[in-house]
Amino acid sequence: KQEVTQIPAALSVPEGENLVLNCSFTDSAIYNLQWFRQDPGKGLTSLLLIQSSQREQTSGRLNASLDKSSGRSTLYIAASQPGDSATYLCAGNFNKFYFGSGTKLNVKP
Amino acid sequence: GAVVSQHPSWVICKSGTSVKIECRSLDFQATTMFWYRQFPKQSLMLMATSNEGSKATYEQGVEKDKFLINHASLTLSTLTVTSAHPEDSSFYICSAQGQGLSYEQYFGPGTRLTVT
Repeated sequence: KQEVTQIPAALSVPEGENLVLNCSFTDSAIYNLQWFRQDPGKGLTSLLLIQSSQREQTSGRLNASLDKSSGRSTLYIAASQPGDSATYLCAGNFNKFYFGSGTKLNVKP
Repeated sequence: GAVVSQHPSWVICKSGTSVKIECRSLDFQATTMFWYRQFPKQSLMLMATSNEGSKATYEQGVEKDKFLINHASLTLSTLTVTSAHPEDSSFYICSAQGQGLSYEQYFGPGTRLTVT
């Protein structure tokens, strides 16, 4: 069974700081990897999707990378804002989606 | 585009009753839909894969007789929690996979089930 791991489990940073969230997976036969944001008690908001043939994707202040050979993906958030506070989940698509346990981000004003 | 809805958004039911949750792809056809469960402060766990016109494929440890899945059309999948118990209380989220090569999943807003 594929495993998707996220570190750190929680992260607290001051506003304005750049930060990196990590996601690792055990199977390189990945179709794509998706990053999501989840606010407390809410559903998922898709942030970025990286296909297996791509190295990175960017949307605004977010940049996600994918390295299949090492089984790693990172989500880079530039100039963090308090509104970025949420839990960030990565999910690998191995013909089924497997989710990491998430990183709970708190951006302090 | 690519909107997925779920109904109801929350439901409270008594132990022993059954609850049906609907998942609809509003503006695209989805041959495959997925059902996930999320317990408090935990991540999403895949319960089953639902393919239009065929039986669902359940993940290990998920009781297929308890969680009935029907995918009768390309835009609707339903999850019925039969004889619900308090331990079934959870956040249930569905996703729909669009046709095409991107294999991107689009998630519904989730249904919070509380069994008393």
